[in-house]
Amino acid sequence: IAGITQAPTSQILAAGRRMTLRCTQDMRHNAMYWYRQDLGLGLRLIHYSNTAGTTGKGEVPDGYSVSRANTDDFPLTLASAVPSQTSVYFCASRGYYNEQFFGPGTRLTVL
Amino acid sequence: QQQVKQSPQSLIVQKGGISIINCAYENTAFDYFPWYQQFPGKGPALLIAIRPDVSEKKEGRFTISFNKSAKQFSLHIMDSQPGDSATYFCAASISQGGSEKLVFGKGTKLTVNP
Repeated sequence: IAGITQAPTSQILAAGRRMTLRCTQDMRHNAMYWYRQDLGLGLRLIHYSNTAGTTGKGEVPDGYSVSRANTDDFPLTLASAVPSQTSVYFCASRGYYNEQFFGPGTRLTVL
Repeated sequence: QQQVKQSPQSLIVQKGGISIINCAYENTAFDYFPWYQQFPGKGPALLIAIRPDVSEKKEGRFTISFNKSAKQFSLHIMDSQPGDSATYFCAASISQGGSEKLVFGKGTKLTVNP
C-alpha cells in the first residue's frame, strides 16, 4: 500500500440499500476527509476526522456517516442510498504542512 | 464568506502558450492556498501551494501569484503542454474548531491543443 487506497473503484447500487465505502492510508496522518465531487460543483466536504476516535460534519453530511476506529481506516457509510448520492467520492488525508493527499476515488451510481 | 470563486470554467490554450486561472476569496482567515491538478478518472493531486506572507511562488513552469489586499490568487502555467490538459482546482484552507479544512473552487478544465 502506498498513500491512500479506496474500495470499491465503482459501484452501482439500488436506492434504499446500505453501502460502505472504504478508505485506508499508510502515511500515519491524523486528519482524514471524505469529499464528493459532482460536475460543476467541485469538491465538497462530507465528513472529517482530526484523529482516531473523533469525527466531524462537513458541508454536506446528510445521509452519510463515518467512523474512525484507528489511524489508518476511515469508512464512509450510506445508510439508505438515494439517487442524489450518485457521485464520485474521494478520501483524503492531511500531511504535516496542511497539504491533502487524495485517493483514486469511488464512482457510485444509485438507481 | 466560505466560498472560493474560480474562473474561467474552461480554458483552451495552444501549445507553448500561457494558461492563467484565477481565484478569489472573501474570508481573510484563510491561511494556505493550494492548487490541485486532476486527470480524468484520477484523484486530485497537489500541484503547488502558497501561504499569504508570500506574493509569488514558482515551481518549474507553474507559478502562483498571490494578492493579499485584493484577496485574489492565480495559477500561471508557462509553455503549456498537451500533457497539462486536466482540471485544475484552487483551494483555501481555514482552521475551524481545531481542524483544518479546505474550501475548493469549482474547477477549470484546461485543454492544451498541440
